[in-house]
Amino acid sequence: GAGVSQSPSNKVTEKGKDVELRCDPISGHTALYWYRQSLGQGLEFLIYFQGNSAPDKSGLPSDRFSAERTGGSVSTLTIQRTQQEDSAVYLCASSLDFSGDLAFGSGTRLTVV
Amino acid sequence: AQSVTQLDSQVPVFEEAPVELRCNYSSSVSVYLFWYVQYPNQGLQLLLKYLSGSTLVKGINGFEAEFNKSQTSFHLRKPSVHISDTAEYFCAVRGGSNYKLTFGKGTLLTVNP
Repeated sequence: GAGVSQSPSNKVTEKGKDVELRCDPISGHTALYWYRQSLGQGLEFLIYFQGNSAPDKSGLPSDRFSAERTGGSVSTLTIQRTQQEDSAVYLCASSLDFSGDLAFGSGTRLTVV
Repeated sequence: AQSVTQLDSQVPVFEEAPVELRCNYSSSVSVYLFWYVQYPNQGLQLLLKYLSGSTLVKGINGFEAEFNKSQTSFHLRKPSVHISDTAEYFCAVRGGSNYKLTFGKGTLLTVNP
């Protein structure tokens, strides 16, 4: 079956612009995660959605970052007024439930110039 | 809270040599441990996981890892590597009922001919 799909795969944006990153999880997966991968820094947790529960936003680095998950499926990560330090690969993952194995998408490489 | 330390950022080896990638963790609760592999321009793929039971865990592509509670380690091993094993490897920990996976900074394994 289809895996986790992320779009776009690459995004170059000018400093100060807003960007939206999209994630389509595996059908039936109730849990969805966003991670940020910066060079040499591993994966940094950003936000977690589980079913209809309130999301865990504890990893969002600033109020310029927000995310939503519509209808328990597709998720959008929005970064407002992008800065150069936002340049990274943004990875989305989904799992059957909170304890299931994570399936990762291929990521969106964001470059802020 | 939990944390993961991957002791080597880069490990170069020759083809057919054995390899060990080191991972140490800290957690105040019982843990589940994971190794993921990331090939260039791809998302993360689960190699193996330790949930309970036997401390020696076998995964895909001939990799195995041993959970050592007294040393809080979960080192990844392969007796004979191939060029195709060149990738970045991430160790991750999930504590108890926590849904959040905490990742190490990764180890870049480069297999040379």
